Amino acid sequence: AQKVTQAQTEISVVEKEDVTLDCVYETRDTTYYLFWYKQPPSGELVFLIRRNSFDEQNEISGRYSWNFQKSTSSFNFTITASQVVDSAVYFCALITGLTGTASKLTFGTGTRLQVTL
Amino acid sequence: DGGITQSPKYLFRKEGQNVTLSCEQNLNHDAMYWYRQDPGQGLRLIYYSQIVNDFQKGDIAEGYSVSREKKESFPLTVTSAQKNPTAFYLCASSITEPGANVLTFGAGSRLTVL
Repeated sequence: AQKVTQAQTEISVVEKEDVTLDCVYETRDTTYYLFWYKQPPSGELVFLIRRNSFDEQNEISGRYSWNFQKSTSSFNFTITASQVVDSAVYFCALITGLTGTASKLTFGTGTRLQVTL
Repeated sequence: DGGITQSPKYLFRKEGQNVTLSCEQNLNHDAMYWYRQDPGQGLRLIYYSQIVNDFQKGDIAEGYSVSREKKESFPLTVTSAQKNPTAFYLCASSITEPGANVLTFGAGSRLTVL
């Protein structure tokens, strides 16, 4: 069985603060993909990143960075210098096997981020 | 621009009525999916289709039906058998090559049962 836990239900920060969204996953498979999606108030989920289990390098994309640690089964997401436009619900997701299709995705329950001025 | 169009954005239904949610994509994706989103529960898969005229049940298919007569279209019918249909419904699509698992989502349809 696979499971994704996002323990933070809601986070509020003031603009320009850094914020980290936690994601802990469970799987017995040694091969898997991890994802982050952003759901702004408009509703559609937007793909942010996909990382496979063989690549533990951290990734940075502008103000976004991701810390993948297999030792703690975590794939945390940090937003540096947060902005109001970052306000959204963020979902972490997992799929086991490197050939698995999206029908096998397991989503976490999401973390709502509120960034205020 | 390519994307997924869901309609209507908001829908109200009386108990006992069937309703159909539309999902159209122009991404030329073979696979399409329907998810249900409830507060605090993340996304749950209702149905998916990897090819025209074929579809599979997801984790919570009871009370729902789908069809896939055209590659571009994957409508979802919420039947009166669905006990708690009030939710936000999201349609998504993807290519079907092995390991191709990045989803493109529509903007969703919010169904409220009165």
